[in-house]
Amino acid sequence: DTAVSQTPKYLVTQMGNDKSIKCEQNLGHDTMYWYKQDSKKFLKIMFSYNNKELIINETVPNRFSPKSPDKAHLNLHINSLELGDSAVYFCASSLRGGRTYFGPGTRLTVT
Amino acid sequence: GDSVTQMEGPVTLSEEAFLTINCTYTATGYPSLFWYVQYPGEGLQLLLKATKADDKGSNKGFEATYRKETTSFHLEKGSVQVSDSAVYFCALSGNTGNQFYFGTGTSLTVIP
Repeated sequence: DTAVSQTPKYLVTQMGNDKSIKCEQNLGHDTMYWYKQDSKKFLKIMFSYNNKELIINETVPNRFSPKSPDKAHLNLHINSLELGDSAVYFCASSLRGGRTYFGPGTRLTVT
Repeated sequence: GDSVTQMEGPVTLSEEAFLTINCTYTATGYPSLFWYVQYPGEGLQLLLKATKADDKGSNKGFEATYRKETTSFHLEKGSVQVSDSAVYFCALSGNTGNQFYFGTGTSLTVIP
């Protein structure tokens, strides 16, 4: 009965590779998000997406792209990975005006 | 733009000590305010929230009051336990949408 799930939980990869992190929510929410938590624990929103609008944080490199096959999924694709991309990435979802639920996080390590 | 400023950590307390973690915000309109907690190795969990001025959110012995006059939402607990050791995030959600603005997080360690 997991509300927001992410896969994989851990991802170790080399610089220059392309990788994806998957996110699924079974709450019927209309909005999904991706957050990045850096080594200092600072949590920063990357994307906010519903079926009408994609809001991109302007500081996010265009190597990062969200892809939503349907309302229950928002995957994060990262091209040409760099060392600085190492972080924990959190998916989240909500209904407009409602509580936001977070996934367990994906720890990405780029070597 | 909207933002949240949270006291720097880390914070180390003895068991049963009083806890305060300061949080102030900048926002247009009437945001909702939240405290999230992240236990070691786990994801974010909502601890408490307040949606309008003078509301008090409370959960697991933690409390925070939405103070519009001081734009603050300080987290307090009268007697901390070792199991409260975690990172605490103050956050706000503006009234224009569901975007969240998080503080930098405050790491709390409670020692026996």
